Parts: sequence; structure tokens; C-alpha cells
Amino acid sequence: DAGVTQSPTHLIKTRGQQVTLRCSPKSGHDTVSWYQQALGQGPQFIFQYYEEEERQRGNFPDRFSGHQFPNYSSELNVNALLLGDSALYLCASSLRGIAEKLFFGSGTQLSVL
Amino acid sequence: GESVGLHLPTLSVQEGDNSIINCAYSNSASDYFIWYKQESGKGPQFIIDIRSNMDKRQGQRVTVLLNKTVKHLSLQIAATQPGDSAVYFCAETIYNQGGKLIFGQGTELSVKP
Repeated sequence: DAGVTQSPTHLIKTRGQQVTLRCSPKSGHDTVSWYQQALGQGPQFIFQYYEEEERQRGNFPDRFSGHQFPNYSSELNVNALLLGDSALYLCASSLRGIAEKLFFGSGTQLSVL
Repeated sequence: GESVGLHLPTLSVQEGDNSIINCAYSNSASDYFIWYKQESGKGPQFIIDIRSNMDKRQGQRVTVLLNKTVKHLSLQIAATQPGDSAVYFCAETIYNQGGKLIFGQGTELSVKP
């Protein structure tokens, strides 16, 4: 049973660039949430996608956007990258848009230079 | 904003001892709580969860206690092993409101052989 998979594992970008991160949820899950984890901090909720719509959003600017596809996979896009966007980006999946037993992927480590 | 806080940033125990990691939460509307373990370079790994209609829940070598009166959560690990060394996060949410977990900063558990 495949868990949550994310790609790429590592990424280096420069300020002002745009980045797209990808996530495939755990088999059987239909809901994807994205989190940002700065070094030494707990993950911060970015947004959640369920039924191909953004259902909830955390306190992140519009530079952060996402998409969910019919196969439940998801993308996170960040435009106009800032140095402060350097972090581990985590994808979590669950079922039916509820929070029960969110399972996380290993994340994408984004470095902005 | 509201957040989940952890009392101790670091905890060092001897192998074989029991470990207790504490957590305080501030949102009285939260009704679902999850403990995660995060090893270096990996995403958070689900350990155990508890709904607010319960005071205690046991898993394999782990027990979560919930005290709603004082908004306190704890994770007990029995017979701590070197493989338990990691950062532990508690997270809170409202069960039916999707995947928006609020994480604390984490407690680093170090197990001495």
C-alpha cells in the first residue's frame, strides 16, 4: 500500500522564481492538505483540497496556490519566491475532507537563494 | 492566533525508562488531537489520536491522555528505545472541519543507551 508520495525531494530556486511541488495521496484517500515547516518549527497549514476545490486556507499569501486533479493528486505552486519561503513542504492525505489520521509524505525541501 | 504549545523543548531519557511528553492547547473548540513523531529528514509519522469524548487511549507502547478541564494532552511511551529518538509534535483540530491541524513547536526526545 503506497503511502503519500511527494516530488521532488529537494529543490533549489532563486528569488523571484516560481515552483511547483507535487503530491500523490495515500491509496484510498481523496483529500490533500499542504503544510510548510520551517527549520525547528512545527508544520503550518497552507490549504486543503477536497473534491478538486480548496476547502480551507491558512494564513498564507496568494502567491501560494494549488490544484487537485481528478485522481486526487495535488500540486502546490509558489510564485515570486522569497528567501523566507525556504522550508520543508509537506503533503498530507486523508479521507472525505475530515482530519482523521492525516498521513504525511516525506516532504519537498525547498531552498530559495 | 491560537496554538498548541509544548512544555519541554527537549527530553532526555535512559533506554528502558518511560517517557512523558506534555502538550497544552488553547482552542476549547478543538475536539481531535493527534501525536506525530518526526525523524530527521522525514515527514511526521502518525502515532496515535484521541477524540475529545475520551480521556485515554492506548496503542502499542504508547498512551495518550487528554484532560479537557485544563486543556492538556500527554504522550506516554513505555520502555523507551533508541529508535524512539525523534521530535514529537502534538496537533489539534476540529474533527469535521477538514485537515487544518495546528501544531506546536515539538519536543525532541533523546534516548540514551
